Amino acid sequence: DAKTTQPNSMESNEEEPVHLPCNHSTISGTDYIHWYRQLPSQGPEYVIHGLTSNVNNRMASLAIAEDRKSSTLILHRATLRDAAVYYCIFSTDKLIFGTGTRLQVFP
Amino acid sequence: NAGVTQTPKFQVLKTGQSMTLQCAQDMNHEYMSWYRQDPGMGLRLIHYSVGAGITDQGEVPNGYNVSRSTTEDFPLRLLSAAPSQTSVYFCASSQWTSGKEQYFGPGTRLTVT
Repeated sequence: DAKTTQPNSMESNEEEPVHLPCNHSTISGTDYIHWYRQLPSQGPEYVIHGLTSNVNNRMASLAIAEDRKSSTLILHRATLRDAAVYYCIFSTDKLIFGTGTRLQVFP
Repeated sequence: NAGVTQTPKFQVLKTGQSMTLQCAQDMNHEYMSWYRQDPGMGLRLIHYSVGAGITDQGEVPNGYNVSRSTTEDFPLRLLSAAPSQTSVYFCASSQWTSGKEQYFGPGTRLTVT
């Protein structure tokens, strides 16, 4: 099973950047790196994904290490609404979730 | 587009009862999957399907059956409910291509007494 390593929890202040790390040392060449987040009492929602190059979208940026064994999800300016559990997953097809990082955002 | 819909939202069962959780999507997605999420835990994959007539097991398939007779629907059957199956169940769908975004339903909260 695909396994990632993420910190259990992180904290940030509102409007500050947040860097959420993820290690995925057993990733293969065809595995995509996905990030999902889950707000309280909701289903997971897609954040971003990438294969080799860094990626940007309206929600976040994904920085992928050159050897692809780690990645970082970057929230450029955290808001209270960004408080959630963030899951880093690598896969070619089905998604296997780990335990994720619980992000707390303080006003 | 309604996206991914799940019914019911809440359900209470007695031990030994059977029931079917419904999941439907209107995005013509080939790939559909079921997850369960226990309190304070991450999601675990139960079963998944890459198209009508094709299903496969995930991480925790025991006690659950699935079938996929149409592209739109992917029901999950609990054969004989047990308290250990108390959980929130999420259905998801996506295109069946590497790296595609999965869309999740709102979940069904199941309690087995």
